[in-house]
Amino acid sequence: GENVEQHPSTLSVQEGDSAVIKCTYSDSASNYFPWYKQELGKGPQLIIDIRSNVGEKKDQRIAVTLNKTAKHFSLHITETQPEDSAVYFCAASKGFNTGNQFYFGTGTSLTVIP
Amino acid sequence: DADVTQTPRNRITKTGKRIMLECSQTKGHDRMYWYRQDPGLGLQLIYYSFDVKDINKGEISDGYSVSRQAQAKFSLSLESAIPNQTALYFCATGGGMAGELFFGEGSRLTVL
Repeated sequence: GENVEQHPSTLSVQEGDSAVIKCTYSDSASNYFPWYKQELGKGPQLIIDIRSNVGEKKDQRIAVTLNKTAKHFSLHITETQPEDSAVYFCAASKGFNTGNQFYFGTGTSLTVIP
Repeated sequence: DADVTQTPRNRITKTGKRIMLECSQTKGHDRMYWYRQDPGLGLQLIYYSFDVKDINKGEISDGYSVSRQAQAKFSLSLESAIPNQTALYFCATGGGMAGELFFGEGSRLTVL
């Protein structure tokens, strides 16, 4: 099956700085890569995703990049704010509509220091 | 009201007891999932269901069973709970072309 590794496990940044979280995957057939944000006491919520036919996607202060050759993808958060503090999970899938599973990374706890 | 509702939100039980976690959704999605979250281990898939007549094992199904009572309801059972099943459990739904999973707020289970 797929193996998704995520680094770092914890990350502290000053407010206004950028944060980068990196994930690697093992199955070259994976083609969908979502990122989820989990706030304290809540369930994970999708914040951005990317498909294998795209190298980069941006949504305001967050962006995701994908390198299919190296089998890694990254989440970039710019101009971090205290409300960005949460646990972030990456995931990989071979295709949601084919019935394939999502494989999640182990999470990154991001703390934004005011 | 939440789109994906889990009950109970917190439960403490003893070893050997049967416990059921329930999940209901108002999103109209066909696909429902049960995940387990442990510190440092991320989210691990226990069972998933693509419709009422379809049940599939995930990565860590041993010791668990599920029932899909209706499109909107998917319950997880621990027939004889053991301490290493202490964890945070999430139900999720998925549907449509976007591939997005929608999670409930979690059920924290402690087995003494």
